[in-house]
Amino acid sequence: EPEVTQTPSHQVTQMGQEVILRCVPISNHLYFYWYRQILGQKVEFLVSFYNNEISEKSEIFDDQFSVERPDGSNFTLKIRSTKLEDSAMYFCASSEDSGNTEAFFGQGTRLTVV
Amino acid sequence: DQQVKQNSPSLSVQEGRISILNCDYTNSMFDYFLWYKKYPAEGPTFLISISSIKDKNEDGRFTVFLNKSAKHLSLHIVPSQPGDSAVYFCAASDYGSGNTGKLIFGQGTTLQVKP
Repeated sequence: EPEVTQTPSHQVTQMGQEVILRCVPISNHLYFYWYRQILGQKVEFLVSFYNNEISEKSEIFDDQFSVERPDGSNFTLKIRSTKLEDSAMYFCASSEDSGNTEAFFGQGTRLTVV
Repeated sequence: DQQVKQNSPSLSVQEGRISILNCDYTNSMFDYFLWYKKYPAEGPTFLISISSIKDKNEDGRFTVFLNKSAKHLSLHIVPSQPGDSAVYFCAASDYGSGNTGKLIFGQGTTLQVKP
């Protein structure tokens, strides 16, 4: 069964450093997303991406965040200068369409900022 | 911004019995609702969904009911099995506006099914 894969599974970084979280969405999907879950809190939407551009972003997704689809398979989330409060599980997701269809999630990357 | 609420943080049921997980929403523009199941250290796994034009959708042991007038949906699991023990998230989307596929999640309900 096709699945969304994320690497690394766990990333530890020092405050102020840049991190890149990587995702390989399901191959025939056209819509890509990043969500995050801070420990003990709800899953929060960060950004949606379609046709090589951001289609929607949340207020969390400030100038420190960026997304890119550098080739036909990868989808990345970059945090330019990490803060302690960026520590969370980051989930990538993809869907065939944006309407009335489920999004499939990866297993997540646990980001720990120290 | 609590547009999707799951007011019960946890639920414990006996194996074989029915589990009922509840979810309320405030945004009347939501037109598609989903339930996801999540195990620790894994991503959310899609379970079942329902469009706002329906009031019930069934898939095996899982049934989702939607009451639009009450802005309430519920997930019924019958019969419950120990492997169902996980965190269940309700999610909603407003596909009619912008059509970006964004999902709004509830806080989750931890279900424990006791053997």
